[in-house]
Amino acid sequence: DVKVTQSSRYLVKRTGEKVFLECVQDMDHENMFWYRQDPGLGLRLIYFSYDVKMKEKGDIPEGYSVSREKKERFSLILESASTNQTSMYLCASRHGKPIEAFFGQGTRLTVV
Amino acid sequence: SQQGEEDPQALSIQEGENATMNCSYKTSINNLQWYRQNSGRGLVHLILIRSNEREKHSGRLRVTLDTSKKSSSLLITASRAADTASYFCATEFTGANSKLTFGKGITLSVRP
Repeated sequence: DVKVTQSSRYLVKRTGEKVFLECVQDMDHENMFWYRQDPGLGLRLIYFSYDVKMKEKGDIPEGYSVSREKKERFSLILESASTNQTSMYLCASRHGKPIEAFFGQGTRLTVV
Repeated sequence: SQQGEEDPQALSIQEGENATMNCSYKTSINNLQWYRQNSGRGLVHLILIRSNEREKHSGRLRVTLDTSKKSSSLLITASRAADTASYFCATEFTGANSKLTFGKGITLSVRP
């Protein structure tokens, strides 16, 4: 079975901290995605990567950056966490389009 | 944003009834996918329909796609209490670089 693992289920950070959310997949997928999910807004794409060291901005990249140094790992970085970044963060991966994506269990981040 | 838009936002039915959920989108797509999310968890892929297909079946699921109306519907037949979840449509647009865009979701409640 494909496994997409996010490093934490729950995370509490302070305003201004630099936050790293890690995502690892074990199926040699080319594409990886970071979404945030908020009530009433659905899933919004932050960044995606279609290959190692390649990245593209999604719909809401402001305040975030990403890193993909190895194929299996895609990191989301909050440069200076703010309370409006409190959210559920979901990582997904898949082979090249057009096929299904596999999701991690999500990280619920609270910024206080 | 190029999100698909699901309708209705919430649906409550009795066990054994059929549930129909709709998704509309704005621009030409490569494929459309439906996902399910149990409370507080990651998303799980249900079914994918390509732009040159009109209907697909998978178990109790039936998906249709009408590219002239830019809409899709997901039908769950003989619903069960375990079908209670949120359902999302995701679209992959022609020309997008492996970018999967989600709607806001439909909350389905199946009463035992």
